[in-house]
Amino acid sequence: SAVISQKPSRDICQRGTSLTIQCQVDSQVTMMFWYRQQPGQSLTLIATANQGSEATYESGFVIDKFPISRPNLTFSTLTVSNMSPEDSSIYLCSVNTDRGRGYTFGSGTRLTVV
Amino acid sequence: GQQLNQSPQSMFIQEGEDVSMNCTSSSIFNTWLWYKQDPGEGPVLLIALYKAGELTSNGRLTAQFGITRKDSFLNISASIPSDVGIYFCAGRSVTDKLIFGTGTRLQVFP
Repeated sequence: SAVISQKPSRDICQRGTSLTIQCQVDSQVTMMFWYRQQPGQSLTLIATANQGSEATYESGFVIDKFPISRPNLTFSTLTVSNMSPEDSSIYLCSVNTDRGRGYTFGSGTRLTVV
Repeated sequence: GQQLNQSPQSMFIQEGEDVSMNCTSSSIFNTWLWYKQDPGEGPVLLIALYKAGELTSNGRLTAQFGITRKDSFLNISASIPSDVGIYFCAGRSVTDKLIFGTGTRLQVFP
């Protein structure tokens, strides 16, 4: 399965600022997914990022708040914009590998907004 | 967002006991996946199920894909301390998105 490197692993940010999270995969993948995991909760899909096209956002998530880049088949970034304490969560990227039969996750970015 | 109903929410068991957890959905899925998440880590895939009725084992873990394609269970036999963690089921939708269950927090006491 693919190996995902996600950076930063954690950060503490001031409210009103923005943080960009990077996700690097060791193989080319068509689809990359960004998830949010709020404290003590399950994972919720934010958006799907395909190379060469706009990301597709799930209900409740908008591009202005969570802009995503997907410049090539091995890399994506998620920005959390104009942060507030409610954005404190773990953000994870995931890729679909093994011809769609497996989903691998990065180790996550633990974000705390103060 | 949509989530699957997973039960129990938490379990506190003694080492050596067997564990069973399940997941139900109002929607049909083509694939069911079971993940384990340790603190500070992303979820790690334990078992993947691709066909209705499929029963698959991975060491002490056994999972089944329900015949109706709306449910799945995971069993852990002879639990050990390193089984501690949060277990999530996930269903793969026709649009290749994963929908996650609410999670089962497992605690194993020696």
